[in-house]
Amino acid sequence: EAQVTQNPRYLITVTGKKLTVTCSQNMNHEYMSWYRQDPGLGLRQIYYSMNVEVTDKGDVPEGYKVSRKEKRNFPLILESPSPNQTSLYFCASSLNGPGHEQYFGPGTRLTVT
Amino acid sequence: SQQGEEDPQALSIQEGENATMNCSYKTSINNLQWYRQNSGRGLVHLILIRSNEREKHSGRLRVTLDTSKKSSSLLITASRAADTASYFCATDDDYKLSFGAGTTVTVRA
Repeated sequence: EAQVTQNPRYLITVTGKKLTVTCSQNMNHEYMSWYRQDPGLGLRQIYYSMNVEVTDKGDVPEGYKVSRKEKRNFPLILESPSPNQTSLYFCASSLNGPGHEQYFGPGTRLTVT
Repeated sequence: SQQGEEDPQALSIQEGENATMNCSYKTSINNLQWYRQNSGRGLVHLILIRSNEREKHSGRLRVTLDTSKKSSSLLITASRAADTASYFCATDDDYKLSFGAGTTVTVRA
């Protein structure tokens, strides 16, 4: 089954404790991206990757890191989480860019206390 | 920054009625897409319209695009309870996808 998976689905952590949210797709997609969703603000793009080893900042990259060592995986890293990073996070992938249908993961609900 | 803004923020209709929501954006685009989200779950792609297209249909969905006004509309005809969801428009340039804040649609039985 074609899908985007994210882990964990729920995470409660404390300020400053490094964490990684994994994202994996099995569709051989070139383009992957991370979004955060906050009430009243819709989805905001954090980082995107056009292909392996090619990543770039989205609209809200501060406090986040990503890597794209393999085509299928695009982990999101929070080196020192803060309470303002409490949010619902989505990973998405598409065939080869933002102008194609995006396939979204189920989301990761992160709470930073 | 958000490129698209949906209007209205919320919409409540009776089953069987049509639902119309609008999206306005600020800068030139390559494509405009509409997505649906059910209660905090992942977004599902509904339809994509290219900047050189004016109207597109998919089942009960009709999307229009007016690049001169920088706006798009999504019409859902003969709504059903299962159409209750949030709807988002998204615009793209060559690299990034920008979403609006969404319209929440409630379909009453």
